Amino acid sequence: DSGVTQTPKHLITATGQRVTLRCSPRSGDLSVYWYQQSLDQGLQFLIQYYNGEERAKGNILERFSAQQFPDLHSELNLSSLELGDSALYFCASSVSPQITDTQYFGPGTRLTVL
Amino acid sequence: DQQVKQNSPSLSVQEGRISILNCDYTNSMFDYFLWYKKYPAEGPTFLISISSIKDKNEDGRFTVFLNKSAKHLSLHIVPSQPGDSAVYFCAASAIGGGADGLTFGKGTHLIIQP
Repeated sequence: DSGVTQTPKHLITATGQRVTLRCSPRSGDLSVYWYQQSLDQGLQFLIQYYNGEERAKGNILERFSAQQFPDLHSELNLSSLELGDSALYFCASSVSPQITDTQYFGPGTRLTVL
Repeated sequence: DQQVKQNSPSLSVQEGRISILNCDYTNSMFDYFLWYKKYPAEGPTFLISISSIKDKNEDGRFTVFLNKSAKHLSLHIVPSQPGDSAVYFCAASAIGGGADGLTFGKGTHLIIQP
């Protein structure tokens, strides 16, 4: 158990809908990362927050957005969903925003868009 | 454009022998490399890392070798044990090159045969 929690575990929805994925980092971790793992793909970095502020953006679509709240939990919002958005979404956390700081991953949320 | 490549989707090794997992990268800005291990239905777990100032890093049964001129790294597991059966992801980043998160390969599924 990494100490990072993600809810829900599974989510099934229809095209055009909007969903919110939630992540609670390990106690004491200030940095949160979001990654997407599509079928046959490696994990793709989406976005990073540190202590409530956006710190880095990766391959995140404009239809996706995220935020980190004062209690340090983070939410990833996916809107106007398409079939291709079906994937595993992982959240990871670390103490500092430095890339050399170990990232601890949650178990992921599996999103299925029908 | 895949910047981190793991060309072997799967690898089968006999218990007790050496497992060698390979990874190639194309981005010359990468100077920090990691290996993560992933079991089904769990998030990736950090295994070992190496920075570009070194060519080898060892942690118990796990050793990572880095060949900067060839843009190649490998993970050696000696001796291989049944619990090592998992998907192994190679990841890379640029420490001083901005906060981009980690760039992952697609993974190699290691199967340890009894």
